[in-house]
Amino acid sequence: SQQGEEDPQALSIQEGENATMNCSYKTSINNLQWYRQNSGRGLVHLILIRSNEREKHSGRLRVTLDTSKKSSSLLITASRAADTASYFCATDARDYKLSFGAGTTVTVRA
Amino acid sequence: NAGVMQNPRHLVRRRGQEARLRCSPMKGHSHVYWYRQLPEEGLKFMVYLQKENIIDESGMPKERFSAEFPKEGPSILRIQQVVRGDSAAYFCASSPPTSGENTDTQYFGPGTRLTVL
Repeated sequence: SQQGEEDPQALSIQEGENATMNCSYKTSINNLQWYRQNSGRGLVHLILIRSNEREKHSGRLRVTLDTSKKSSSLLITASRAADTASYFCATDARDYKLSFGAGTTVTVRA
Repeated sequence: NAGVMQNPRHLVRRRGQEARLRCSPMKGHSHVYWYRQLPEEGLKFMVYLQKENIIDESGMPKERFSAEFPKEGPSILRIQQVVRGDSAAYFCASSPPTSGENTDTQYFGPGTRLTVL
């Protein structure tokens, strides 16, 4: 069964707006990672947050992790057309197997 | 430093044929993982290998699928007697040795899209 589940499934926003997506998981984790996938392409690693961290920033990305609620969020600020992609969370339960959710498809309208 | 390389990028096979997918990890990486992605779904773990060793193949179907990572050369995911249900994108990822930096991060290749006719 899937470990991570993203919400919403799809998101459409105007360029310049912020995009927020959430990820929930079921079991204890070592870390949680966010990836981006452009249509028909491979995955690009965005950010890794460890179980003892609560928030992490990378450029226009902000990730939070709440281990008590078993959830994480990814915020993309000041979105651009190039941010149009599918975003996946993946959990690492200390067993090197990443468990992916089904992803959130983000469309940024010009 | 070149990223993870996979070839071919697209592969078309007829039912009953064999499919061979290749993956060259990033330089210095000794761990290789294979994942499968069905349309509109996330990636599913298949197998984890280190040089000449299969560490975990719990996500791989018991029949027709096999993987190897020889001492020299790329990792190979082999699917024998392909069926239509094998049509998917197959991604390879690699990570550094456990004593290196960023050992938790898996770096993905561009994938091989297999179509079974």
